[in-house]
This record gives sequence, C-alpha cells and structure tokens, in this order.
Amino acid sequence: AQKITQTQPGMFVQEKEAVTLDCTYDTSDQSYGLFWYKQPSSGEMIFLIYQGSYDEQNATEGRYSLNFQKARKSANLVISASQLGDSAMYFCAMREGMRASYDKVIFGPGTSLSVIP
Amino acid sequence: SAVISQKPSRDICQRGTSLTIQCQVDSQVTMMFWYRQQPGQSLTLIATANQGSEATYESGFVIDKFPISRPNLTFSTLTVSNMSPEDSSIYLCSVAGTLSYEQYFGPGTRLTVT
Repeated sequence: AQKITQTQPGMFVQEKEAVTLDCTYDTSDQSYGLFWYKQPSSGEMIFLIYQGSYDEQNATEGRYSLNFQKARKSANLVISASQLGDSAMYFCAMREGMRASYDKVIFGPGTSLSVIP
Repeated sequence: SAVISQKPSRDICQRGTSLTIQCQVDSQVTMMFWYRQQPGQSLTLIATANQGSEATYESGFVIDKFPISRPNLTFSTLTVSNMSPEDSSIYLCSVAGTLSYEQYFGPGTRLTVT
C-alpha cells in the first residue's frame, strides 16, 4: 500500500507568490520523521526540511516551512516568495522509526513545481 | 554531514551485460541504502546494506539481479546484472547520519541500457 501520497503531479506558481505542496502519509508507528527533498533537472537530491513526529513546532528553514498536522497525517511544504530556481521536482519522504542509522526512508511520487516569471 | 561519491556517473550498456556501481562515503556509516529512480518516477528503495551481513532487499528486488557488497563501513557496490532496457534508471546511494534529520544522497549513476 502506498505510504506516502502526493496528490499534485504538477503545480504552477507565479514568481514571488507562496505555494503549498501536499503530502499525506500512512504509518502506525508513533516515532517517525518526515522529509522534503528538492530534485532539480540536474538530478541531485537536495534536503529542504525535516519534521519529527514528536516535534511540537512546525519546522521552518528559510523560505521553507512544513505544515505538520499529525492527526490528519499530513506534512505539507510551504514555499514562500517563490523564485525561478525553485522549479524542480519535490519529494515528500518518511522514515518510520527514529533510528537514523538503521531505518529506511521511503518516498512519495513527487510533485513537479514550475515557477512562472 | 557525509559526502558521497559514486562511480561511474553515467554509463551506456548493452542488453545482457552487468554493471557494478561503486559508492564511497567520507565517514564510517552503519547502513548504506541503494535506490532506483526510473525515468520520470520517484525513488524506490532496492536494498539496505550492512557491513558483515547480507543485504536486505525490498519487495520486487532480488539478490541475483542486484547483488550488493559491503566490505567496510565506507564503501558499497551495487551490481545490475543481465541488464535489459527496463533497468535504465538513475541509481542512488544514500546514507544516514547520526541525527534523525540526516539522510544524504550521492550524485547518482545514470544508466542507459540499449
């Protein structure tokens, strides 16, 4: 069964506007972590932001923030003030368990974001 | 942080041959993870490699097709055996740091099978 769902295959946003990329997940673990990665056309995986299941505050990293709604099992990525360089694929990912060195990370299907000048 | 290098960065191979991809990390890590990214798709975990034991494969992946070696704490190889055009993908090596948010990826190996 799909554990991570990203319902938006493609999104467009005007430059300087904010955009929200959706992610829902499914787990029965109490301890887990949620990631967002950016993959530009070059193919590298760029880490954006992380939210642990026990973190009470929503994670923020510069222009990126994670809207974490635990009861709904959603972890949406908000990008503020979009830039042309934000055009890329965005992947939501989850690690079940908190043992970073041991537990695997699985990925959602991704959302392609295009920023329009 | 961890810096990961992969060799080769890309290759074009003939159907029926095998290719071994190397992954080198600049620090000792417990687990190394191998992912496949087919064209236009997301990352799919192939297997997890722990030093000194056989790799653990995910559903749909078998050792005969994707044998993995893990001779030490900084190095691993993934072999794609008896290749077909369906194996054309990017193969990525990944490791975790000690902190929960740390998951690092290599630059990937772009494989094209003709």
